[in-house]
Amino acid sequence: GAVVSQHPSWVICKSGTSVKIECRSLDFQATTMFWYRQFPKQSLMLMATSNEGSKATYEQGVEKDKFLINHASLTLSTLTVTSAHPEDSSFYICSRGGVLADIAATNQPQHFGDGTRLSIL
Amino acid sequence: AQSVTQLDSHVSVSEGTPVLLRCNYSSSYSPSLFWYVQHPNKGLQLLLKYTSAATLVKGINGFEAEFKKSETSFHLTKPSAHMSDAAEYFCVVRSTGGFKTIFGAGTRLFVKA
Repeated sequence: GAVVSQHPSWVICKSGTSVKIECRSLDFQATTMFWYRQFPKQSLMLMATSNEGSKATYEQGVEKDKFLINHASLTLSTLTVTSAHPEDSSFYICSRGGVLADIAATNQPQHFGDGTRLSIL
Repeated sequence: AQSVTQLDSHVSVSEGTPVLLRCNYSSSYSPSLFWYVQHPNKGLQLLLKYTSAATLVKGINGFEAEFKKSETSFHLTKPSAHMSDAAEYFCVVRSTGGFKTIFGAGTRLFVKA
């Protein structure tokens, strides 16, 4: 069964609103989770690494104030797209590592949520 | 630095024929390699992984991949394609220390009836 739950699966909203996406680790307390963005017909791009109890680590070129990440508990990370605009429309996917997630063990596969389709009108 | 190159942006096969999705990687150290499948508007599902054990790795749904260090390749194969195999496939390498996951650009597989 699924080990990562992502909600909502689909969001349509007006330009200027903020949207929150939740990512839950269902079977393991994950101190580290990851957020990806996928443009149509393109690969996944790592946006940031969410760290429980501390600030997220953002990849180069990702606006911290635009994409707010909160990892307040060991099973929940949230991504908030603030003041969303049409160019923010994309497919957002979260993930966590395997059982040894905290170590980010090289040979442990990541488990992905089903993704959130965000459409900004 | 590590990188992943998927040599074909799309592959089209007929149902019942073999599938070959090509992936080359570069890595300074022994890499861990994965193949994921993504169906439309869905998340990613792990097909198989290579982690320095057997070079021929068998995965789910009849897929397998062979790690060839001399060729720095990790091609994904399946003897007989099904319509349900139509999806996007990503070759992935984990960086040294496993902290960063690097995705290939993806290969879209089309399966014709």
